[in-house]
Amino acid sequence: QKEVEQDPGPLSVPEGAIVSLNCTYSNSAFQYFMWYRQYSRKGPELLMYTYSSGNKEDGRFTAQVDKSSKYISLFIRDSQPSDSATYLCAMRQGGSEKLVFGKGTKLTVNP
Amino acid sequence: DTGVSQDPRHKITKRGQNVTFRCDPISEHNRLYWYRQTLGQGPEFLTYFQNEAQLEKSRLLSDRFSAERPKGSFSTLEIQRTEQGDSAMYLCASSSGGLWEQYFGPGTRLTVT
Repeated sequence: QKEVEQDPGPLSVPEGAIVSLNCTYSNSAFQYFMWYRQYSRKGPELLMYTYSSGNKEDGRFTAQVDKSSKYISLFIRDSQPSDSATYLCAMRQGGSEKLVFGKGTKLTVNP
Repeated sequence: DTGVSQDPRHKITKRGQNVTFRCDPISEHNRLYWYRQTLGQGPEFLTYFQNEAQLEKSRLLSDRFSAERPKGSFSTLEIQRTEQGDSAMYLCASSSGGLWEQYFGPGTRLTVT
């Protein structure tokens, strides 16, 4: 079993839809949780960073962490065609610099 | 642009050749990371530097791979005797302070023929 599981999709939604992206993890030592967005042939771009259970909101994006269930989510409200990208979850343990990534979910938002 | 920069952006080489990539981190970021990403996968950690000291290395970093950060600024990643399985995107990231958020560069895409 991989430490971080993420459904690779692809996921296709109409413009304006609410998108839900999810990851599960098996390592209870993970303390820090991130979401990155990666456009084709580009480097990952940090979207959200959180370290506690609960919700964190930034504009149209909400990151949710449930440490008891080892489950994290990213919600995108009012999705736009420019949100079309691969979304990667990443996490790390306290005391380690190594980020462990999911496979990424490819999202397409159709106009 | 003051983000992480990587050079070259794309490298094509023949099997058995040596290649070297360069990463320039965000100015004054004292931590620098290398990751490798293959098609359809998330990035995988290779190694990390704090200033010039290499503090963590993945088992993925075989003896054909070597990374340096001689003056605690830019870093190089060398792959000796390249193999077709080395074909991937090599990503560099840097961080400094706070929660040590890692900011990635655009990557170097390596194709080994």
